[in-house]
Parts: sequence; C-alpha cells; structure tokens
Amino acid sequence: EVQVVESGGGLVQPGGSLRLSCTASGFTFSTYWMTWFRQAPGKGLEWVANTNQDGSAKYYVDSVKGRFTISRDNAENSVFLQMNSLRVEDTAVYYCARSVDYWGQGTLVTVSS
Amino acid sequence: QAGLTQPPSVSKGLRQTATLTCTGNSNNVGNQGAAWLRQHQGHPPKVLSYRNNNRPSGISERLSASRSGNTASLTITGLQPEDEADYYCSAWDTSLSAWLFGGGTKLTVL
Repeated sequence: EVQVVESGGGLVQPGGSLRLSCTASGFTFSTYWMTWFRQAPGKGLEWVANTNQDGSAKYYVDSVKGRFTISRDNAENSVFLQMNSLRVEDTAVYYCARSVDYWGQGTLVTVSS
Repeated sequence: QAGLTQPPSVSKGLRQTATLTCTGNSNNVGNQGAAWLRQHQGHPPKVLSYRNNNRPSGISERLSASRSGNTASLTITGLQPEDEADYYCSAWDTSLSAWLFGGGTKLTVL
C-alpha cells in the first residue's frame, strides 16, 4: 500500500525557518517525482515545489522561490522541504505527494508572532 | 502562475448525475490531462483520478474522468450524500513547469 507521511510542522515566528520531512513506503521511491502542496486556512490547494527522481530538477511556485528548498534522499525514501524567511502568508497545511496521485495527511505550519 | 477554471458550485439531486468541468489550455489540460481530487470539510484531499481516468484503488466506479481539448470533466453518477464535497482539478503546465489548480467546485447533493 502506498503511503506518504509528513512531519515537522509547527508554530514559527515570521522570518524563521522550518524543515518538513516526508517518508514514503509501498512503492519504488527512486522512480517517482515527489511534490509538496499546501492549503491555507479556508483556501484552495496550491502547488509549492517538486523534484524529479534523482533530485537534479527542482521547480517552485513563484511565491517561495529563493526561500524554500526541496530535496530528497532516495536511500531513506524521504523528501524534505526547507523553509526559510517564513511569512504569515505561508501559514497552511503542507501535503507531500507522490507526483500528484497519492497524498499524505498533511502537517500544519503556522507562521505568527 | 495562473490557474485552471472551475465553476464555483454545482447542485444536483440525489441519484442524479453531476458533471464537473475544468478548463485550461494546450500547455496543461490539453497536453497532460488533469487530475481530480475530492476534499470533505476538515479532511485531506483524496485523489479520484489522474492522467486521463486512471483511478486509484478504492475509488468508486460511479466516478469517471474524461477530456475534450483543453477541458477536463469529472462525471459522478447516482449521486449520494457522501459525494457532497469540494472538487479540485490539477494539471502540469509544460510551459510554466508548474502544477496548476482550479479554484475548486463545491458540489451540493440536494
């Protein structure tokens, strides 16, 4: 059974940093793109970043470019999202997904003073 | 990045058929097809279909996805109360190198 599980969310002050982790199982991790999405409170879904199978290609939504970094460790079946210079508007539930077809339960990131 | 276009709301009666639409362009929906997700209030999204009607295991056969040109559709037959939810479409845009989403359609089952 395909599973992705996020962790690392929490409360952080504006300008702070947070690192999200996602551990996958039930499929050959190294053969799939991995993606981070988010959903702000009461809002729709938004793509944040994704990376190809070996991590050599990475794409970001404009609003996080230069602040967020996606990376992966195929030996550990894990993908990460390093979030720096966090803003209030980054407050959201962050979801990890295998490409777009299997999503985790999400982890809440709250940016507030 | 600009998004895909979905109607904000659709209302249908119990046991009727609802067709939800998602319009993009030749760089996204028209090229790669669309994925469809359903989200009940307070729950994470669940993928219903991806890459032209590939259905994850456990998804009801009452749901089917299709595409015509730059518009993707999700058809739900025999509507049940549990079908009442927010439905989102998503597609990879080859020009923007970005996943785009529609704003979501709230389906109400009367």
